[in-house]
Amino acid sequence: GQQLNQSPQSMFIQEGEDVSMNCTSSSIFNTWLWYKQDPGEGPVLLIALYKAGELTSNGRLTAQFGITRKDSFLNISASIPSDVGIYFCAGQLWEYGNKLVFGAGTILRVKS
Amino acid sequence: GAVVSQHPSRVICKSGTSVKIECRSLDFQATTMFWYRQFPKQSLMLMATSNEGSKATYEQGVEKDKFLINHASLTLSTLTVTSAHPEDSSFYICSAFPLSSGDSYEQYFGPGTRLTVT
Repeated sequence: GQQLNQSPQSMFIQEGEDVSMNCTSSSIFNTWLWYKQDPGEGPVLLIALYKAGELTSNGRLTAQFGITRKDSFLNISASIPSDVGIYFCAGQLWEYGNKLVFGAGTILRVKS
Repeated sequence: GAVVSQHPSRVICKSGTSVKIECRSLDFQATTMFWYRQFPKQSLMLMATSNEGSKATYEQGVEKDKFLINHASLTLSTLTVTSAHPEDSSFYICSAFPLSSGDSYEQYFGPGTRLTVT
């Protein structure tokens, strides 16, 4: 089955620093999505990428859909304490009923 | 818009009993809803795809007789954990795929239900 390799597993950074995380897969996906999950809550969509090579920003967040459709990265600029949480990448396959395959997650901890 | 609710948010039940979890799309219709399970410090794992008016499709390794899914209307899907055991304790999350999504393929996630089986 499809698998997503997400790295790093966790990050402990200084407030104000930029953050980068990425996901790779051996499979091609139609859509790449990045979610943030706070403890005890459902994931919230941050950025959705629909086209290979697409670079999309949402405030301090920037994500890109790899040209090969097998990878994506998420950058967070000038991190702040509320960025703490778990970030998941997810790949979506339209031909499989729009199922999502999630990466293992990146735990982000910010030192204030 | 695009709000998905789950009820209950937390439930504690005794081993051997059954628990029903509801997933509702509050302001849109969804022909497809997905059920995920998330164990502590792990990712979301898709359990099944719930389709309105038809049988759910279960992922490999998920027991359909144990996790009963009913998608009776375009705004409601239910997951019933039958004969629950402590190993079923987990965070169950649903998502809904809008009927009219246009060019978007976004699913909207519920807030999750924490199930603890004692």
